[in-house]
Amino acid sequence: QKEVEQNSGPLSVPEGAIASLNCTYSDRGSQSFFWYRQYSGKSPELIMFIYSNGDKEDGRFTAQLNKASQYVSLLIRDSQPSDSATYLCAVNNGGLTGGGNKLTFGTGTQLKVEL
Amino acid sequence: ETGVTQTPRHLVMGMTNKKSLKCEQHLGHNAMYWYKQSAKKPLELMFVYNFKEQTENNSVPSRFSPECPNSSHLFLHLHTLQPEDSALYLCASSQGQQLYEQYFGPGTRLTVT
Repeated sequence: QKEVEQNSGPLSVPEGAIASLNCTYSDRGSQSFFWYRQYSGKSPELIMFIYSNGDKEDGRFTAQLNKASQYVSLLIRDSQPSDSATYLCAVNNGGLTGGGNKLTFGTGTQLKVEL
Repeated sequence: ETGVTQTPRHLVMGMTNKKSLKCEQHLGHNAMYWYKQSAKKPLELMFVYNFKEQTENNSVPSRFSPECPNSSHLFLHLHTLQPEDSALYLCASSQGQQLYEQYFGPGTRLTVT
């Protein structure tokens, strides 16, 4: 069973602080990793993806990948109340014969940014 | 229209009804997906199509019947559903290759009474 584990939270951080969201995965063969943000009642929105070990930065967001330890994290700098949402980690378990790919999602971490 | 669209956004149906969910993607992608999202559970992949050919059926009950007439349109036909099928049904699309990210539509909130 290929699994993706996330702490459900809620993770509460004050406005302006750094929020750190973590995710571990079981399939060592996973090659690509994604962070989605989901507001209550809405659909998941892609924030970042990362393929290689190390850090990838995009504005206030930094994704970190460590394949040896099988974890991926998302840092949100200068957190804003509008960042309050559930953050889903998704792991690509491989391509499908015939095309398309298969993502395994975690249950998500709820982030609350407090004024 | 841009991105991935889904209709209807909300649907209430009885257990004996037949209804269909529609998804359309305007991103030029090859692959389309149906997911089910229930409260407190991770997204569950249901079906995958690439160039309108089904490449994955994740052991979904036959009361859910997908249809993909072309790379831009995807349907989910529903019949004799159960109350436990009430959930948010999400459509997504991606390039067909392995590593590419998936983009989601707004979803259909389904309630089975």
